[in-house]
Amino acid sequence: AQSVTQLGSHVSVSEGALVLLRCNYSSSVPPYLFWYVQYPNQGLQLLLKYTSAATLVKGINGFEAEFKKSETSFHLTKPSAHMSDAAEYFCAVRYSGGYNKLIFGAGTRLAVHP
Amino acid sequence: TAGITQAPTSQILAAGRSMTLRCTQDMRHNAMYWYRQDLGLGLRLIHYSNTAGTTGKGEVPDGYSVSRANTDDFPLTLASAVPSQTSVYFCASSEEGNQPQHFGDGTRLSIL
Repeated sequence: AQSVTQLGSHVSVSEGALVLLRCNYSSSVPPYLFWYVQYPNQGLQLLLKYTSAATLVKGINGFEAEFKKSETSFHLTKPSAHMSDAAEYFCAVRYSGGYNKLIFGAGTRLAVHP
Repeated sequence: TAGITQAPTSQILAAGRSMTLRCTQDMRHNAMYWYRQDLGLGLRLIHYSNTAGTTGKGEVPDGYSVSRANTDDFPLTLASAVPSQTSVYFCASSEEGNQPQHFGDGTRLSIL
């Protein structure tokens, strides 16, 4: 069965510092992978998606993620954190046995301090 | 703006009572989903529907039922609420294939 692991439930960075949020998946075949962001009291918004094209995927708000098959990873990065990036981030993998069903990681809450 | 509308935004419900959470989308997406979000567990799929007239069970379906009478609406019903169903519920929709899912703003439900 597919699963998603996000290492670190909380990450804290300084404004202007590199953001690195980790995501590892388990799958026998390369999956479709997504990163979503959730701001307080809101639903999830798509940041970016990997669908077997380029391994480096660029998303909104300056975020990007790199698919590494050898490491079964899809880590999310941003070169310079902004205060407005404070939110919860979810990695998700498409469920191979069903129609577009997603398996979500537990989430990583990003705090950005001045 | 176009998207997914969920109602109510929040509700406090006595245990044993029934409740229907409403979800409507105006994007004409075929697929719709219901998730619950609990601290430390991320989002877990309750039920889904690939197209109007069909539904399927997700990861945590017990205690919940859904219907899909038309493309736009996908209500979630708790027939007899229990405290463990206290959660934030999200409805989502997507086009066919591997397209991303679009989410509503959620319903915060507390069962006392």
